[in-house]
Amino acid sequence: RKEVEQDPGPFNVPEGATVAFNCTYSNSASQSFFWYRQDCRKEPKLLMSVYSSGNEDGRFTAQLNRASQYISLLIRDSKLSDSATYLCVDRSASKIIFGSGTRLSIRP
Amino acid sequence: DADVTQTPRNRITKTGKRIMLECSQTKGHDRMYWYRQDPGLGLRLIYYSFDVKDINKGEISDGYSVSRQAQAKFSLSLESAIPNQTALYFCATSDFGPTDTQYFGPGTRLTVL
Repeated sequence: RKEVEQDPGPFNVPEGATVAFNCTYSNSASQSFFWYRQDCRKEPKLLMSVYSSGNEDGRFTAQLNRASQYISLLIRDSKLSDSATYLCVDRSASKIIFGSGTRLSIRP
Repeated sequence: DADVTQTPRNRITKTGKRIMLECSQTKGHDRMYWYRQDPGLGLRLIYYSFDVKDINKGEISDGYSVSRQAQAKFSLSLESAIPNQTALYFCATSDFGPTDTQYFGPGTRLTVL
């Protein structure tokens, strides 16, 4: 089993829709999680951290479910500019593990 | 100017050649990393360095070596390139903060024929 798993997608949704995707992790001791965004042929950039209590930043909400060992990213009122690949990250003291990414495509 | 730069941006080479990829940063961070990205496999850590005298192997260090010449410079070498090292290579830096945010360079696309 991969340490961090994501549905590769693509998720193809209309502009204005709400879309959510999850990322499962295997290490029950993991403490720190993040979402990065990567545009086509570009470098990844930090989108947001994932806190135990959840984290909201504008249209984006990230949540952590420790019991089921997954993190989620919700995007409300999606924009064309949200089209990208979203990478989840499990950051522990000794490791940093990136998921392979979920591709999101927003159509007009 | 970009905070993290990588040279070259693209390279095509032949099996058996020695290749060096260079990374420089102006962010003043102590921590630097080398990753490779392959379709369907995501980013995998090759080597990382927490300061000039510190070098650590990552998940997939075989076939690679690194040198931390200064706080701002971290180079990756492929001593004898092979075709399965064809990938997109990213350098990154991070601060020693609660999120340890990774700041990536623009990437080097390496093709080994």
